[in-house]
Amino acid sequence: EAGVAQSPRYKIIEKRQSVAFWCNPISGHATLYWYQQILGQGPKLLIQFQNNGVVDDSQLPKDRFSAERLKGVDSTLKIQPAKLEDSAVYLCASSFWGARDTQYFGPGTRLTVL
Amino acid sequence: ILNVEQSPQSLHVQEGDSTNFTCSFPSSNFYALHWYRWETAKSPEALFVMTLNGDEKKKGRISATLNTKEGYSYLYIKGSQPEDSATYLCASPPNTGNQFYFGTGTSLTVIP
Repeated sequence: EAGVAQSPRYKIIEKRQSVAFWCNPISGHATLYWYQQILGQGPKLLIQFQNNGVVDDSQLPKDRFSAERLKGVDSTLKIQPAKLEDSAVYLCASSFWGARDTQYFGPGTRLTVL
Repeated sequence: ILNVEQSPQSLHVQEGDSTNFTCSFPSSNFYALHWYRWETAKSPEALFVMTLNGDEKKKGRISATLNTKEGYSYLYIKGSQPEDSATYLCASPPNTGNQFYFGTGTSLTVIP
């Protein structure tokens, strides 16, 4: 069974630039999550989709971050414009149904904002 | 927001040593406790899901226990090997609500 795929693996940009991350969840998983993990902290949920609807985006900085999950499969997370404090690992995860199920993670995208 | 804490933050052990670390969580509103292992440049890997007080799970040299009444879980590694070097994360979804709350992780380095 293929795992959660993410790209790119690494990205370096300058502040005020834009960046986009892509995630392909495990086939058949209804729920998809984007997490931000800043060095020294635990992963923080940014947004949770169930199929193509948003379940929770309460911690997504909506003035600069956006995410979509078209057709309930792949998802993209965008940052525009990036700030220095956005430097982090961005993890995508999926689960079969809801947030209480085991979540399966991709390898993450390490973003550095200079 | 659920306050999930892990200790210690980092740990260095010699190959062959046994070690353990702690995850603490609010005992009220408990639903489940998940342990993950996250090796550098890899995906976090699910190790255990624990739901019942007194649960004990084992996978090879790694085991975990759960005490929901006092709000903690221990992860044990017996005879640590260099390949055990990773960050170990715990996460708890509460009984109400719909998200995981992660601890900050314990970074384990096993010295050959």
